[in-house]
Amino acid sequence: QVHLVESGGGAVQPGGSLRLSCEVSGFKFTDYGMHWVRQAPNRALQWVAFMKYDGTGKFFADSVTGRFTMSRDQPKNILYLHLNSLTVEDTAMYYCAKDLFYASGALGDWGQGTLVTVSS
Amino acid sequence: QSALAQPPSASGSPGQSVTISCIGSSTDVGAYNYVSWYQQSPGKAPKLIIYEVYKRPSGVPDRFSGSKSGSAASLTVSGLQGEDEADYYCSAYAASGDIWVFGGGTRLTVL
Repeated sequence: QVHLVESGGGAVQPGGSLRLSCEVSGFKFTDYGMHWVRQAPNRALQWVAFMKYDGTGKFFADSVTGRFTMSRDQPKNILYLHLNSLTVEDTAMYYCAKDLFYASGALGDWGQGTLVTVSS
Repeated sequence: QSALAQPPSASGSPGQSVTISCIGSSTDVGAYNYVSWYQQSPGKAPKLIIYEVYKRPSGVPDRFSGSKSGSAASLTVSGLQGEDEADYYCSAYAASGDIWVFGGGTRLTVL
């Protein structure tokens, strides 16, 4: 059974950094694309980042390009989102999600989310 | 401001049908058939209910249906039930800029 568990969120000051983790089970990274999506309090979903199934391609929303990066530890089945130069606008619940296929954008499985709060 | 436009709210009585629109452009909804719909209950992660415009994942009732015409996509919920009360989001592939975009969400109320 597919399972995704995020962790690493917390409170951080503007300009700070965090590393979010998404530990997955029940499937192989190498078979599916993986996404990060965030949701600010009482706001809409926002796509943040995508990593291709083979790990070669990484894509980011314009609002986070140059500040966020993605990586993965294949043996440990963990996907990472590295958040740098954080601003208050980055405050949100961050979800990792598994694509139904390689890169359809149809997010069939989600984690429970990890909350990032950026405040001075 | 979200890239895809959805009405902020929709409502219907039990048993009725309701349709939620998702207006994009020629570079996202109008260009590809990678339109998805998600249902999100308060405090929960989103759940995929429609993908590739009209396809339903296993376990999603056939009361949920999707369609597209030009740059506009739609989600129809037939035979409304109380459990359908939730926020609904559309999403589409955009190929450039933010390569996947979401709508602003529609809160569905079952009267």
